[in-house]
Amino acid sequence: DAGVTQSPTHLIKTRGQQVTLRCSPKSGHDTVSWYQQALGQGPQFIFQYYEEEERQRGNFPDRFSGHQFPNYSSELNVNALLLGDSALYLCASSLGGDNEQFFGPGTRLTVL
Amino acid sequence: QKEVEQDPGPLSVPEGAIVSLNCTYSNSAFQYFMWYRQYSRKGPELLMYTYSSGNKEDGRFTAQVDKSSKYISLFIRDSQPSDSATYLCAMSSWGKLQFGAGTQVVVTP
Repeated sequence: DAGVTQSPTHLIKTRGQQVTLRCSPKSGHDTVSWYQQALGQGPQFIFQYYEEEERQRGNFPDRFSGHQFPNYSSELNVNALLLGDSALYLCASSLGGDNEQFFGPGTRLTVL
Repeated sequence: QKEVEQDPGPLSVPEGAIVSLNCTYSNSAFQYFMWYRQYSRKGPELLMYTYSSGNKEDGRFTAQVDKSSKYISLFIRDSQPSDSATYLCAMSSWGKLQFGAGTQVVVTP
Protein backbone atom coordinates (compact mmCIF):
# COMPACT_ATOMS: atom_id res chain seq x y z
CA ASP A 1 0.00 0.00 0.00
CA ALA A 2 1.74 3.15 -1.23
CA GLY A 3 1.95 5.99 1.23
CA VAL A 4 2.03 9.69 0.44
CA THR A 5 4.69 10.56 -2.12
CA GLN A 6 6.15 13.97 -2.95
CA SER A 7 8.45 15.29 -5.65
CA PRO A 8 11.02 16.59 -5.97
CA THR A 9 12.96 15.79 -2.79
CA HIS A 10 15.06 18.93 -2.91
CA LEU A 11 14.86 22.13 -4.89
CA ILE A 12 17.03 25.23 -5.10
CA LYS A 13 15.60 28.43 -6.57
CA THR A 14 16.51 32.11 -6.62
CA ARG A 15 14.42 35.03 -5.40
CA GLY A 16 11.60 36.01 -7.75
CA GLN A 17 11.36 32.61 -9.40
CA GLN A 18 8.33 30.33 -9.37
CA VAL A 19 8.19 26.72 -8.11
CA THR A 20 5.78 23.79 -8.41
CA LEU A 21 5.73 20.94 -5.92
CA ARG A 22 3.79 17.71 -6.40
CA CYS A 23 2.01 15.25 -4.13
CA SER A 24 0.28 11.90 -4.59
CA PRO A 25 -2.00 10.91 -1.71
CA LYS A 26 -2.08 7.60 0.11
CA SER A 27 -4.10 4.97 -1.73
CA GLY A 28 -7.82 5.42 -1.01
CA HIS A 29 -7.49 9.02 0.20
CA ASP A 30 -9.21 11.91 -1.56
CA THR A 31 -8.11 14.98 0.41
CA VAL A 32 -4.74 16.70 0.27
CA SER A 33 -3.45 19.33 2.69
CA TRP A 34 -0.23 21.32 2.35
CA TYR A 35 1.96 22.55 5.20
CA GLN A 36 5.11 24.67 5.44
CA GLN A 37 7.67 23.76 8.10
CA ALA A 38 10.45 26.24 8.84
CA LEU A 39 13.56 24.95 10.59
CA GLY A 40 12.91 24.29 14.28
CA GLN A 41 9.18 24.97 13.99
CA GLY A 42 6.02 22.94 13.71
CA PRO A 43 4.26 22.68 10.33
CA GLN A 44 1.99 25.59 9.38
CA PHE A 45 -1.22 24.90 7.41
CA ILE A 46 -1.25 26.41 3.91
CA PHE A 47 -4.46 25.01 2.37
CA GLN A 48 -6.55 21.90 1.81
CA TYR A 49 -8.01 20.47 -1.39
CA TYR A 50 -11.04 18.23 -1.65
CA GLU A 51 -13.01 17.36 -4.80
CA GLU A 52 -10.61 19.53 -6.79
CA GLU A 53 -11.48 22.67 -4.83
CA GLU A 54 -9.66 24.64 -2.15
CA ARG A 55 -11.71 23.98 0.96
CA GLN A 56 -9.70 25.75 3.65
CA ARG A 57 -6.79 28.19 3.63
CA GLY A 58 -4.31 29.27 6.28
CA ASN A 59 -2.61 32.66 6.66
CA PHE A 60 -0.53 32.53 3.52
CA PRO A 61 -0.44 35.16 0.72
CA ASP A 62 -1.92 34.66 -2.71
CA ARG A 63 1.56 33.85 -4.02
CA PHE A 64 0.76 30.37 -2.73
CA SER A 65 -1.74 28.55 -4.90
CA GLY A 66 -2.65 24.99 -5.58
CA HIS A 67 -4.54 22.52 -7.64
CA GLN A 68 -6.03 19.07 -7.24
CA PHE A 69 -6.44 16.71 -10.16
CA PRO A 70 -9.22 14.14 -10.77
CA ASN A 71 -6.89 11.35 -9.55
CA TYR A 72 -6.61 13.28 -6.21
CA SER A 73 -2.96 14.21 -6.70
CA SER A 74 -2.10 17.82 -6.02
CA GLU A 75 0.32 20.61 -6.84
CA LEU A 76 1.52 23.54 -4.75
CA ASN A 77 2.70 26.59 -6.67
CA VAL A 78 4.64 29.48 -5.16
CA ASN A 79 5.25 32.62 -7.22
CA ALA A 80 7.74 35.45 -6.69
CA LEU A 81 9.83 33.43 -4.26
CA LEU A 82 11.25 35.16 -1.19
CA LEU A 83 14.17 34.09 0.99
CA GLY A 84 11.64 33.42 3.76
CA ASP A 85 9.94 30.76 1.63
CA SER A 86 12.86 28.43 2.30
CA ALA A 87 11.35 25.54 4.24
CA LEU A 88 10.26 21.91 4.18
CA TYR A 89 6.94 21.67 2.32
CA LEU A 90 4.80 18.79 3.50
CA CYS A 91 1.80 17.18 1.90
CA ALA A 92 -0.70 15.22 4.00
CA SER A 93 -3.57 13.08 2.81
CA SER A 94 -6.80 11.96 4.44
CA LEU A 95 -10.19 10.54 3.58
CA GLY A 96 -13.08 12.98 3.24
CA GLY A 97 -11.18 15.77 4.93
CA ASP A 98 -10.76 13.68 8.07
CA ASN A 99 -8.52 14.98 10.80
CA GLU A 100 -6.39 11.81 10.72
CA GLN A 101 -3.76 12.92 8.23
CA PHE A 102 -0.74 11.06 6.93
CA PHE A 103 2.31 12.98 5.77
CA GLY A 104 4.72 12.51 2.91
CA PRO A 105 8.50 12.88 3.20
CA GLY A 106 8.40 16.53 2.15
CA THR A 107 10.16 18.71 -0.40
CA ARG A 108 13.00 20.85 0.91
CA LEU A 109 12.98 24.21 -0.87
CA THR A 110 15.96 26.54 -0.63
CA VAL A 111 15.60 30.08 -1.99
CA LEU A 112 18.89 31.91 -2.63
CA GLN B 1 -0.18 33.75 22.69
CA LYS B 2 0.14 30.70 20.44
CA GLU B 3 -2.87 28.39 20.13
CA VAL B 4 -0.68 25.37 20.93
CA GLU B 5 2.24 25.52 23.35
CA GLN B 6 4.92 22.83 23.47
CA ASP B 7 8.27 22.88 25.25
CA PRO B 8 10.98 22.58 22.57
CA GLY B 9 13.41 20.72 24.83
CA PRO B 10 15.79 19.08 24.22
CA LEU B 11 14.72 16.33 26.60
CA SER B 12 17.46 13.82 27.34
CA VAL B 13 16.67 10.48 29.01
CA PRO B 14 18.59 7.23 29.55
CA GLU B 15 17.56 4.13 27.65
CA GLY B 16 14.70 2.31 29.37
CA ALA B 17 13.29 5.43 31.05
CA ILE B 18 9.79 6.81 30.55
CA VAL B 19 9.57 9.81 28.25
CA SER B 20 6.87 12.33 29.21
CA LEU B 21 5.76 14.96 26.71
CA ASN B 22 2.96 17.47 26.90
CA CYS B 23 1.17 20.33 25.16
CA THR B 24 -1.32 22.94 26.23
CA TYR B 25 -3.82 24.70 24.02
CA SER B 26 -6.18 27.64 24.18
CA ASN B 27 -8.84 26.92 21.52
CA SER B 28 -11.82 25.06 22.98
CA ALA B 29 -12.95 24.13 19.45
CA PHE B 30 -10.17 21.55 19.10
CA GLN B 31 -11.72 18.08 19.23
CA TYR B 32 -9.09 15.80 17.69
CA PHE B 33 -5.62 15.35 19.13
CA MET B 34 -2.58 13.75 17.56
CA TRP B 35 1.06 13.00 18.24
CA TYR B 36 3.56 12.76 15.41
CA ARG B 37 7.18 11.63 15.44
CA GLN B 38 9.59 13.34 13.08
CA TYR B 39 13.12 12.19 12.40
CA SER B 40 15.61 14.75 11.15
CA ARG B 41 14.76 16.04 7.67
CA LYS B 42 11.87 13.57 7.26
CA GLY B 43 8.09 13.91 7.18
CA PRO B 44 6.05 13.53 10.40
CA GLU B 45 4.81 10.01 11.21
CA LEU B 46 1.45 9.65 12.94
CA LEU B 47 1.83 7.88 16.30
CA MET B 48 -1.44 8.47 18.14
CA TYR B 49 -4.86 9.86 17.18
CA THR B 50 -7.47 10.53 19.84
CA TYR B 51 -10.85 12.22 20.02
CA SER B 52 -12.19 12.15 23.54
CA SER B 53 -10.74 12.92 26.93
CA GLY B 54 -9.03 9.99 28.63
CA ASN B 55 -6.23 7.57 27.84
CA LYS B 56 -5.33 5.65 24.70
CA GLU B 57 -2.62 3.02 24.67
CA ASP B 58 -0.74 1.54 21.71
CA GLY B 59 2.24 -0.64 22.53
CA ARG B 60 4.81 1.45 24.41
CA PHE B 61 2.87 4.68 23.76
CA THR B 62 0.10 6.17 25.89
CA ALA B 63 -1.72 9.36 24.96
CA GLN B 64 -3.76 11.33 27.47
CA VAL B 65 -6.24 14.11 26.77
CA ASP B 66 -7.75 16.41 29.41
CA LYS B 67 -10.13 18.75 27.61
CA SER B 68 -11.19 20.51 30.82
CA SER B 69 -7.59 21.59 31.42
CA LYS B 70 -6.75 21.92 27.70
CA TYR B 71 -3.75 19.64 28.22
CA ILE B 72 -2.52 16.60 26.31
CA SER B 73 0.34 14.21 27.07
CA LEU B 74 2.30 11.43 25.45
CA PHE B 75 4.20 8.82 27.44
CA ILE B 76 6.79 6.47 25.93
CA ARG B 77 7.66 3.46 28.09
CA ASP B 78 10.93 1.54 27.91
CA SER B 79 12.49 4.18 25.68
CA GLN B 80 15.04 3.14 23.06
CA PRO B 81 17.77 5.09 21.24
CA SER B 82 15.61 4.70 18.11
CA ASP B 83 12.97 6.86 19.84
CA SER B 84 15.34 9.83 19.53
CA ALA B 85 13.40 12.27 17.36
CA THR B 86 11.25 15.39 17.50
CA TYR B 87 7.73 14.79 18.78
CA LEU B 88 4.99 17.10 17.53
CA CYS B 89 1.59 17.50 19.09
CA ALA B 90 -1.24 18.53 16.78
CA MET B 91 -4.89 19.31 17.22
CA SER B 92 -7.80 19.99 14.93
CA SER B 93 -11.45 20.81 14.67
CA TRP B 94 -12.23 20.93 10.94
CA GLY B 95 -9.41 19.09 9.22
CA LYS B 96 -6.88 21.90 9.62
CA LEU B 97 -4.10 20.72 11.92
CA GLN B 98 -2.52 23.16 14.37
CA PHE B 99 0.91 22.00 15.55
CA GLY B 100 3.10 22.70 18.51
CA ALA B 101 6.73 23.63 17.89
CA GLY B 102 7.89 20.09 18.67
CA THR B 103 9.98 18.63 21.50
CA GLN B 104 13.37 17.15 20.67
CA VAL B 105 13.94 13.89 22.55
CA VAL B 106 17.33 12.22 22.93
CA VAL B 107 17.51 8.70 24.39
CA THR B 108 21.05 7.85 25.43
CA PRO B 109 22.29 4.21 25.53
